[in-house]
Amino acid sequence: DIQMTQSPSSVSASLGDRVTITCRATQGFTNWLAWYQQKPGKAPKLLIYATSSLQSGVPSRFSGRGSGTDFTLTISSLQPEDFATYYCQPANSFPPFTFGGGTKVEIK
Amino acid sequence: QLQLQESGSGLVKPSQTLSVTCAVSGGSIRSGDYSWSWIRQPPGKGLEWIGHIYHTGSPYYNPSLRSRVIISVDRSKNQFSLELSSVTAADTAIYYCARGRRKGEINWFDPWGQGTLVTVSS
Repeated sequence: DIQMTQSPSSVSASLGDRVTITCRATQGFTNWLAWYQQKPGKAPKLLIYATSSLQSGVPSRFSGRGSGTDFTLTISSLQPEDFATYYCQPANSFPPFTFGGGTKVEIK
Repeated sequence: QLQLQESGSGLVKPSQTLSVTCAVSGGSIRSGDYSWSWIRQPPGKGLEWIGHIYHTGSPYYNPSLRSRVIISVDRSKNQFSLELSSVTAADTAIYYCARGRRKGEINWFDPWGQGTLVTVSS
């Protein structure tokens, strides 16, 4: 199984800040990554698939990049609706599928 | 627009079997090369993939749960189901269903159901 470690586990930021979340493969290797946003009491929502492809309807302030063992999700200018927990998912072809531990983005 | 809706046993006693069903609307469970997954999230914790099934009926289970899990599909009702046996308090979680998409070697989950909380308690 591919294991991913997200950092930081939480981050406090202000509106308009640039926020970057890292997802690192600590066991295994992945060519591709997906990112999900989860708000309290809601299901996760797909933001990015195939490392950098924005899901339809997702604002362009979200971007993803990376390869091999290190990947990032960047929010270029934090908006009120972006305060949530973000999860990465190594997106390689074979199950079992796993998720990173999550990064909570909080208001400073 | 495809929508998924979970329903099931909200409270289950220890050692019994948990059952949850995911109804698919806005599209057919038979269409396309999709898988249909169950993913759970203990309160306040992260996500764990339980397993998936294709409409042809081929399941794959997370090895960590394989001995206790059955995922089935009912094409006539456009739904798929999860059974988890011999439950303990550690199985208390929100259970989500999600459609798995695959493009080449790349996999992701979209959309997700709203989730249903299953509590294991006597």
